[in-house]
Amino acid sequence: EIVMTQSPLSLPVTPGEPASISCKSSQSLLDSSGYNYLDWYLQKPGQSPQLLIYLGSKRASGVPDRFSGSGSGTDFTLKISRVEAEDFGVYYCMQALQIPPTFGQGTKVEVK
Amino acid sequence: EVQLVQSGAEVKKPGESLRISCQASGYTFSDYWISWVRQMPGKGLEWMGSVDPTDSYTSDSYPKYSPSFQGHVTISGDRSINTAYLQWSSLEASDTAIYYCARHRGDLDFWGQGTRVTVSS
Repeated sequence: EIVMTQSPLSLPVTPGEPASISCKSSQSLLDSSGYNYLDWYLQKPGQSPQLLIYLGSKRASGVPDRFSGSGSGTDFTLKISRVEAEDFGVYYCMQALQIPPTFGQGTKVEVK
Repeated sequence: EVQLVQSGAEVKKPGESLRISCQASGYTFSDYWISWVRQMPGKGLEWMGSVDPTDSYTSDSYPKYSPSFQGHVTISGDRSINTAYLQWSSLEASDTAIYYCARHRGDLDFWGQGTRVTVSS
C-alpha cells in the first residue's frame, strides 16, 4: 500500500499568518488521466473530518479560497494564505489512487 | 442536502458482536460507495473498507477491505433503506474507537457524525 508522510506534525501559527503543510507519497499519485489523486481533510476538535481539497488542487464546495493545494507526483502542499480561528485543527492528506486509500499521520495546526 | 446519519454510541464487552449503521439521504444511494474509517483514541484516520450499494453481483461490487481489517469486520449495505453497516462477530478491546462512514467518490466528500464504540470488560 502507498505510504503517506506529512510534515510538520505540529504547526503553531499566529492567526492572520500563512501556513503550509507538506505531504509526500511513496508512489506517484499522478494517474494517466493527468489527475493527482491526493485529497486534504480538516478535522476540527470534536468533529468529523471534512473534505477541503480533492484531486490535488480542487477546492471542495464551500471551502474558502484562502486554502490551496498544489503539487504533483509524490510531493504535495496545502497552503492557507491567512489562518483564521476556524482553521485550527488536524489536517490529513489521503491518497485516493489505490485501494486501500491511505492517510498521512496528520498535522496539528494550533495557535502560536 | 447530503446527510449520513450514524447509529449511537455503544459499550460492549470483549467477545460480543456488534453492528453499527450509517443511513444516507439527499442523494441516490446506489451512485456512490460508502466507506468506513476508524479513529482510535488520540490517533489518526484509517480506511477500513467500502461497500458498493448498487447490489449488482459483479466482483467490482463486492465489499473491499484494507488488509489491516480483512477478516475482522464485515461491511454491507441495504439499498432498500439507504443504509450501510459495519459489523463485528467478536469484539476486542483494541476495537475501541470512533468509526466514521463517508460517501466515497474517490475522495470522501461527506462524512457521518461518527459512532463511538467502547469495548471493555
